[in-house]
Amino acid sequence: GAGVSQSPRYKVTKRGQDVTLRCDPISSHATLYWYQQALGQGPEFLTYFNYEAQPDKSGLPSDRFSAERPEGSISTLTIQRTEQRDSAMYRCASSSRLGSGNTIYFGEGSWLTVV
Amino acid sequence: DAKTTQPPSMDCAEGRAANLPCNHSTISGNEYVYWYRQIHSQGPQYIIHGLKNNETNEMASLIITEDRKSSTLILPHATLRDTAVYYCIVRVAYNTDKLIFGTGTRLQVFP
Repeated sequence: GAGVSQSPRYKVTKRGQDVTLRCDPISSHATLYWYQQALGQGPEFLTYFNYEAQPDKSGLPSDRFSAERPEGSISTLTIQRTEQRDSAMYRCASSSRLGSGNTIYFGEGSWLTVV
Repeated sequence: DAKTTQPPSMDCAEGRAANLPCNHSTISGNEYVYWYRQIHSQGPQYIIHGLKNNETNEMASLIITEDRKSSTLILPHATLRDTAVYYCIVRVAYNTDKLIFGTGTRLQVFP
């Protein structure tokens, strides 16, 4: 696609429910990133993929968070047993390849509210 | 991980140059400096990046000091639409690939 596409744009869920967010990166982009952004703060790294490999998931807050990119294209971020502190904007980004020197493009994000 | 320090806010008159400073004193030799901006809750918008040399594109210029411990983003002719939060970021690409955002500078451009 022309840009990074995320869905849903807004999600309200009850505490304890599972939620899955989807990211469709820019076509042919090898690298895909997930960030979490709380209100009034900058985005914080969660994890990234190089094609279907997931070299670094150190930013995931707990084992309730997981991400997949099984075919090296679309990715999902799943939060199990959601808690109110999970409420945030979740941003996906993609880049044509790994490493510094190239541009990372961000999507518009998915707003998650846990009530 | 290298981190950045920016002033929390700045003002700039429309049509004047906006100079946004950033300190990144712990940056490693192979880590790039990136600048993004965010308008309201939109996704971060890429502006420019550099390693050692000064860089210029259609949006801005990036001046990096020789010791690489600080940099300045220059918007040559600020417009009202440049009002945003500007993030100075270090990209860590050793054993990972991630942008480390700081708290950003809220730039207010006034008429």
